[in-house]
Amino acid sequence: AQSVAQPEDQVNVAEGNPLTVKCTYSVSGNPYLFWYVQYPNRGLQFLLKYITGDNLVKGSYGFEAEFNKSQTSFHLKKPSALVSDSALYFCAVRDMSPGGSYIPTFGRGTSLIVHP
Amino acid sequence: NAGVTQTPKFQVLKTGQSMTLQCAQDMNHNSMYWYRQDPGMGLRLIYYSASEGTTDKGEVPNGYNVSRLNKREFSLRLESAAPSQTSVYFCASIRQGGNQPQHFGDGTRLSIL
Repeated sequence: AQSVAQPEDQVNVAEGNPLTVKCTYSVSGNPYLFWYVQYPNRGLQFLLKYITGDNLVKGSYGFEAEFNKSQTSFHLKKPSALVSDSALYFCAVRDMSPGGSYIPTFGRGTSLIVHP
Repeated sequence: NAGVTQTPKFQVLKTGQSMTLQCAQDMNHNSMYWYRQDPGMGLRLIYYSASEGTTDKGEVPNGYNVSRLNKREFSLRLESAAPSQTSVYFCASIRQGGNQPQHFGDGTRLSIL
């Protein structure tokens, strides 16, 4: 079985400061990992993904994520937060090993609030 | 290129009424999904269709049915709506292949009184 945990319901950060939104996962095989962002009254939008290769993945809007296999984590980061980054962020995992579920599993979401 | 289109955007029903939520994608994607989003619960999979002609239950299928009408369209039906089905419903699609992200519609906000 696969699972995703986002341990923080809400993250507060001041504009201009670095931000981190945490995600840990559990799969039996190789993970494909994704981050999505959701703005009010909108659907989820893809930010970035880790499939294989470099552990630091760069995505849209200046976001990046660091894959750490030993800690089974895929934390979302941005060096300098903007007020416009305030939104709901979801981490998702797909277990792509033979016999694994190809269906994505989502975390519960983390609300990011960037204060001016 | 509209992506994933959901109709209606809003709906209010009375308990026991039925309705169908429509979803269409114009990206020639193979797989389509229906999720519900409730506060603090994240996204929960209701049903999915891995390819045209197939449908499978997800995590919370009770009270729902689906139809994969063709490659473009995947509908979700509530036969007898209950207040517990008040939620925001999202449709998503994906090109076949595990390394691709899902594309989401903007949701249907459903209230059941």
